[in-house]
Amino acid sequence: EVQLVESGGGLVQPGGSLRLSCAASGFTFSSYSLNWVRQAPGKGLEWVSYISIGSSTIYYADSVKGRFTISRDNAKKSLYLQMNSLRDEDTAVYYCARDESSSSPSIPFDYWGQGTLVTVSS
Amino acid sequence: EIVLTQSPATLSLSPGERATLSCRAGQSVSSYLAWYQQKPGQAPRLLIYDASNRATGIPARFSGSGSGTDFTLTISSLEPEDFAVYYCQQRSGWLRAFGGGTKVEIK
Repeated sequence: EVQLVESGGGLVQPGGSLRLSCAASGFTFSSYSLNWVRQAPGKGLEWVSYISIGSSTIYYADSVKGRFTISRDNAKKSLYLQMNSLRDEDTAVYYCARDESSSSPSIPFDYWGQGTLVTVSS
Repeated sequence: EIVLTQSPATLSLSPGERATLSCRAGQSVSSYLAWYQQKPGQAPRLLIYDASNRATGIPARFSGSGSGTDFTLTISSLEPEDFAVYYCQQRSGWLRAFGGGTKVEIK
């Protein structure tokens, strides 16, 4: 069974940092690109970042560029999001989501984690 | 950046009625358009990918159509569990942008 489990959320002051993790199981992690998506309270979905299978291609939404860093450890089957210089508007539930596979037919965003809540407040 | 505009923002319907949701892209996204359903407190659930393909386990009452800039999600006959928020998403460009969502509520 494919599973994505996020962790690392919590309360942080404006200007602070937080590192989110997404632990994967049930599929060949190293063959899939991955994403982070967030959702502010009562708002819609916002794509945050993308990382390719070998980390050679990385994209960010303009709203987080220069402050957030996506990374992955294929040996640990884990995806990360390092968030620095956090702002009130970064308050959201953060989801990791599977993208495409490099080795087999796949459907982007077919699996999502349950999300982890990040609250930025003083 | 490709902007996706969903309409209407809210759709008030009764169980058994047909729901038609629209998603318009600011420029062509070919057929790289997906639809998701989200219920309160839950992660989004993929319904339709590449404009018209149902994801695994999705009932046949859900269908998607369109290409280029105009897309439609149709729910042929609303079941009580279909009342939720629906989002479209494109993956034509490197930004995996989402639309603003359509809430389907019980009339």
